[in-house]
Amino acid sequence: EAGVVQSPRYKIIEKKQPVAFWCNPISGHNTLYWYRQNLGQGPELLIRYENEEAVDDSQLPKDRFSAERLKGVDSTLKIQPAELGDSAVYLCASSLYGGSGTDTQYFGPGTRLTVL
Amino acid sequence: QKEVEQDPGPLSVPEGAIVSLNCTYSNSAFQYFMWYRQYSRKGPELLMYTYSSGNKEDGRFTAQVDKSSKYISLFIRDSQPSDSATYLCAMSVSGNQFYFGTGTSLTVIP
Repeated sequence: EAGVVQSPRYKIIEKKQPVAFWCNPISGHNTLYWYRQNLGQGPELLIRYENEEAVDDSQLPKDRFSAERLKGVDSTLKIQPAELGDSAVYLCASSLYGGSGTDTQYFGPGTRLTVL
Repeated sequence: QKEVEQDPGPLSVPEGAIVSLNCTYSNSAFQYFMWYRQYSRKGPELLMYTYSSGNKEDGRFTAQVDKSSKYISLFIRDSQPSDSATYLCAMSVSGNQFYFGTGTSLTVIP
């Protein structure tokens, strides 16, 4: 079974440019998460989807970040415009239900963003 | 104060040693506790999951939760070079939103 797929793996952009990350969760997983992991830190949740509904986006900086999960499968996370402080690894994870602590989150390899 | 505190290390041990990794937390409502392993340039993968207090063992790995002290531990017995990675603790109140520690970098020397 394929795991969580993310692309691109690496992205280097100049500040003020837009950037988008794509995630394909494990087939059949209803819940999708986007995390940001700064260097030397643990992942921090940006947004959580249950199917196509964003059920927790309280940590998403909405002035420059947006996300969508059309049809409840693939998801895209966008930053516009990017700032120097956005340099981080953006991780996508998926789980079957997301409503229980017993529901394992499976992480993708992440997209490493560098903003110059 | 952060929700979850974890010593970043780095921690270096000889092969075969017992490794002890720890996290403390401030939110007494946490009841789901997890340990993840993250290899370089990879996403985290779940190692151990514990609900509420107590111990859980899986092969060479043992997870302990002490809710009275707000302290969790992961023990690795007979450590192997392949255990070299960053270990992240994570906690949740309801199982939806997880708060991660900063991770402890472990190197097992052959």
